[in-house]
Amino acid sequence: SQTIHQWPATLVQPVGSPLSLECTVEGTSNPNLYWYRQAAGRGLQLLFYSVGIGQISSEVPQNLSASRPQDRQFILSSKKLLLSDSGFYLCAWSRVRLASYNEQFFGPGTRLTVL
Amino acid sequence: GIQVEQSPPDLILQEGANSTLRCNFSDSVNNLQWFHQNPWGQLINLFYIPSGTKQNGRLSATTVATERYSSLYISSSQTTDSGVYFCAVGSPQGGSEKLVFGKGTKLTVNP
Repeated sequence: SQTIHQWPATLVQPVGSPLSLECTVEGTSNPNLYWYRQAAGRGLQLLFYSVGIGQISSEVPQNLSASRPQDRQFILSSKKLLLSDSGFYLCAWSRVRLASYNEQFFGPGTRLTVL
Repeated sequence: GIQVEQSPPDLILQEGANSTLRCNFSDSVNNLQWFHQNPWGQLINLFYIPSGTKQNGRLSATTVATERYSSLYISSSQTTDSGVYFCAVGSPQGGSEKLVFGKGTKLTVNP
């Protein structure tokens, strides 16, 4: 079965500090990978998605970047955090599209507080 | 882009009651998922249902793509059903892999 991991679970960082969040998937190969952010107000917003190693699509302009150094590893980074970067970050995966089936499965999330 | 509206935003029930949550979307979809977010933030997959009807225990979901809505029905609610329920859609125009989320329905089930 497939498993998705995220770490750290919680993080408190000062404004201006760097950020690195990691997501890994087990039990599948060549997945699509996604980063979402959930700010106060409950809605989730897609930040980045990747269909393969080194292939990153950005959905919104922001202070963050993403990288996919390995097939099942997805990293979210920032060089200098802003207060507005606070939120709950979720990683998700889906199988490569097959007959339009594209169910996404989410990791446990990282709660980031920028002070 | 596609818009997703969920109603009601908040719902309070007594244990044992039934409820229907609604998701309306503004364009045709080829991906629709219902999630339950538990108190720890974990998103639990409930249904993958771009069309048709599915049932899983006390939960069932129906999507009528031609009328651009989906409904989630919870019967005999339990306190463990509390949390936020999200509808998320993907469209042919935007890409079925790019889920757009509604703002959710916060359900509270009291004992």
